[in-house]
Amino acid sequence: AQSVAQPEDQVNVAEGNPLTVKCTYSVSGNPYLFWYVQYPNRGLQFLLKYITGDNLVKGSYGFEAEFNKSQTSFHLKKPSALVSDSALYFCAVRDGRDKIIFGKGTRLHILP
Amino acid sequence: KAGVTQTPRYLIKTRGQQVTLSCSPISGHRSVSWYQQTPGQGLQFLFEYFSETQRNKGNFPGRFSGRQFSNSRSEMNVSTLELGDSALYLCASRPREGNEQFFGPGTRLTVL
Repeated sequence: AQSVAQPEDQVNVAEGNPLTVKCTYSVSGNPYLFWYVQYPNRGLQFLLKYITGDNLVKGSYGFEAEFNKSQTSFHLKKPSALVSDSALYFCAVRDGRDKIIFGKGTRLHILP
Repeated sequence: KAGVTQTPRYLIKTRGQQVTLSCSPISGHRSVSWYQQTPGQGLQFLFEYFSETQRNKGNFPGRFSGRQFSNSRSEMNVSTLELGDSALYLCASRPREGNEQFFGPGTRLTVL
């Protein structure tokens, strides 16, 4: 069965430090992978996606993600964290029926 | 283009009642998906409609139903409300298969 896992419920990073939010997936066939961010009392906002091509994908607000097929991972990264990056982050994968499956989310806290 | 809109934004109902939530997708988007978001379960897929047909369905009881109109607007109905139905209900649209979804702000449903 298709699934996506975000192993960390919460990640704390000091402002200015690099950040990583982890995501692993299980899907048959070629994966379509997505990252979304949710700010308080808001819907989800699309950050970036991987469909094919370069393993390093660049997205909005300075975020990037690295697709690693052998490790079935799609970790979200940013070289220098901002306090305003504090939010809830969701990884998602498209399954074989074009249904989008979301991970449980990782709460990112950037400490000033 | 205007974003995805959802009405109402907030709703309070009592157990046993029914509720209808509405979603207007981005113009030109033919796919509309519904999700239930709760702190404990994260984002759970309810169903997806494409050109007025239900394409995918999640694992929710039959009390949860939906439909899509010819203008792509969608409604979601929950009958015989239970306390556990209290959640943020998110609607998302996308233009075609494989693309990222664009989310509305959600409807916060509270069941008393």
